[in-house]
Amino acid sequence: SQQGEEDPQALSIQEGENATMNCSYKTSINNLQWYRQNSGRGLVHLILIRSNEREKHSGRLRVTLDTSKKSSSLLITASRAADTASYFCATDLGNTPLVFGKGTRLSVIA
Amino acid sequence: GAGVSQTPSNKVTEKGKYVELRCDPISGHTALYWYRQSLGQGPEFLIYFQGTGAADDSGLPNDRFFAVRPEGSVSTLKIQRTERGDSAVYLCASSLLGLVATFGSGTRLTVV
Repeated sequence: SQQGEEDPQALSIQEGENATMNCSYKTSINNLQWYRQNSGRGLVHLILIRSNEREKHSGRLRVTLDTSKKSSSLLITASRAADTASYFCATDLGNTPLVFGKGTRLSVIA
Repeated sequence: GAGVSQTPSNKVTEKGKYVELRCDPISGHTALYWYRQSLGQGPEFLIYFQGTGAADDSGLPNDRFFAVRPEGSVSTLKIQRTERGDSAVYLCASSLLGLVATFGSGTRLTVV
């Protein structure tokens, strides 16, 4: 079963635009993470936000977390063609395996 | 090594055969995870090791699937009597403190 549900399933934007992806989950969590995957192979960790945090930044990435709505968003600013990938949110309850959503496929057109 | 290594990168097998997929985690990482990913889906949890023992194997779909980690490092995922529905990318990940996981590139298993 998958806890997270990303929205939209697919997103296509022009280079330079911002990309926003959303994630909703069902149960209480300890942490929420975002991962990126190229070409259906290994995932790369992008950012972790704890349940007591509301916003976090890393370079061109901005993540928000609203535990009352059980949702998170990932914003990529000034997108580049190299940002084209699938993006997944993953949640954990602390010392439990990550549970992933189905992902958002982002296409950035040069 | 520097990253999580999975071998083979691709495996084609006939229906009914037995396969083994290997994962070499990052040295010193105590936690090791196996996931399975079908096309267009997110990774689906299979099993999690803490050291040598399976801390959570609730994701294994049935008793044809088994995984071991005898020395707390390398892990092998074993699938008996493979079926076409087992075709997927099998991902391995390891972590030190149980938070951020480092993933391997996966093994693409195709059952024909």
